[in-house]
Amino acid sequence: QQQVKQSPQSLIVQKGGISIINCAYENTAFDYFPWYQQFPGKGPALLIAIRPDVSEKKEGRFTISFNKSAKQFSLHIMDSQPGDSATYFCAASRGSTLGRLYFGRGTQLTVWP
Amino acid sequence: SQTIHQWPATLVQPVGSPLSLECTVEGTSNPNLYWYRQAAGRGLQLLFYSVGIGQISSEVPQNLSASRPQDRQFILSSKKLLLSDSGFYLCAWSKDSYEQYFGPGTRLTVT
Repeated sequence: QQQVKQSPQSLIVQKGGISIINCAYENTAFDYFPWYQQFPGKGPALLIAIRPDVSEKKEGRFTISFNKSAKQFSLHIMDSQPGDSATYFCAASRGSTLGRLYFGRGTQLTVWP
Repeated sequence: SQTIHQWPATLVQPVGSPLSLECTVEGTSNPNLYWYRQAAGRGLQLLFYSVGIGQISSEVPQNLSASRPQDRQFILSSKKLLLSDSGFYLCAWSKDSYEQYFGPGTRLTVT
């Protein structure tokens, strides 16, 4: 059973546009929601993360929106750039489970110049 | 600062041969360590995790095993590789059971 569902599978955005990737989860015990960015042939890099006590977190052009009641969270990339073209993974975990991360299947983002 | 290393970066092995992938972490002590596998175009599957020397938990029963002989060393092994073992193997570490940081990965091709 997929603990975290991610959509869309692929996304094409024009340079300067907004990229939006959505994730949904079922387990209400999750208390940590990170996003990872992965370039081809590289390991995933932690991009931004949120805890359920806040509804939004912003770091530069990247924003996580969190809706606890809907059990959904999303990544917004403002002013998308060609260098943002990568695969993005959402994940969720419970700290009490020693950091066992449940990943979404990933979204391949392409930003056209 | 902390650094995580994996080697080799790429590996091509025949079916039935043994495997040993190594991961080491620098700049921290007693980290939680994780092995993931990523199949082409797929998400990340947790294989093993460890909270200390000699302490290994397996998530998926399979052809692989893991060991942690030293505090900051994590090894992934197999006695006989299968074609289905091909993939991108990633090691990760965390300190507080939340933020996980991944290594550069090992691309394994079993022929």
